[in-house]
Amino acid sequence: EDKVVQSPLSLVVHEGDTVTLNCSYEVTNFRSLLWYKQEKKAPTFLFMLTSSGIEKKSGRLSSILDKKELFSILNITATQTGDSAVYLCADYNNNDMRFGAGTRLTVKP
Amino acid sequence: EAGVTQSPTHLIKTRGQQVTLRCSPISGHTSVYWYQQALGLGLQFLLWYDEGEERNRGNFPPRFSGRQFPNYSSELNVNALELEDSALYLCASSWEVGQYFGPGTRLTVL
Repeated sequence: EDKVVQSPLSLVVHEGDTVTLNCSYEVTNFRSLLWYKQEKKAPTFLFMLTSSGIEKKSGRLSSILDKKELFSILNITATQTGDSAVYLCADYNNNDMRFGAGTRLTVKP
Repeated sequence: EAGVTQSPTHLIKTRGQQVTLRCSPISGHTSVYWYQQALGLGLQFLLWYDEGEERNRGNFPPRFSGRQFPNYSSELNVNALELEDSALYLCASSWEVGQYFGPGTRLTVL
């Protein structure tokens, strides 16, 4: 059965810290892996990763995919309180998206 | 560019009732996905519509159904509501790869 597993489930850090969120997947017909940030309601798209070893960056956030080891990481440097959210990863094939349970990140002032 | 829109934003129903949720995708997007996010649980895939047809459905009973209209907007219908149907229902539209979510409809079943 296809599955997407995220770790840790929750994380508490202080402003300025760097965090690494993990996402491992076991899926058939893998096409891409996506990262989302969910604050109050709808998830907000962050990154889409399809190729192994190519880092995607957006400001303080970056992500990379390892298709051989079947995992992805999301890094956030110099964290701010506004980064507090649930971060979701999902595998996307031609049929549907399968989400992990998410990592709840809390950034304290 | 307008994003995905959903209506209503909140809904309160009682057990046994029926509910219809609506979603309008981003202009140009032909696929619409529905997800359920119950409290404390992850996003669960419900239904996928593309070009007016149901392409795939998740592990939900038949009382969850929907349709997609020629303008690519979509409805999600839930019959015989149960307490555990209380959740945030998210719609997403996609083009090529990646999905963009609407704000969701929060359904409370009493």
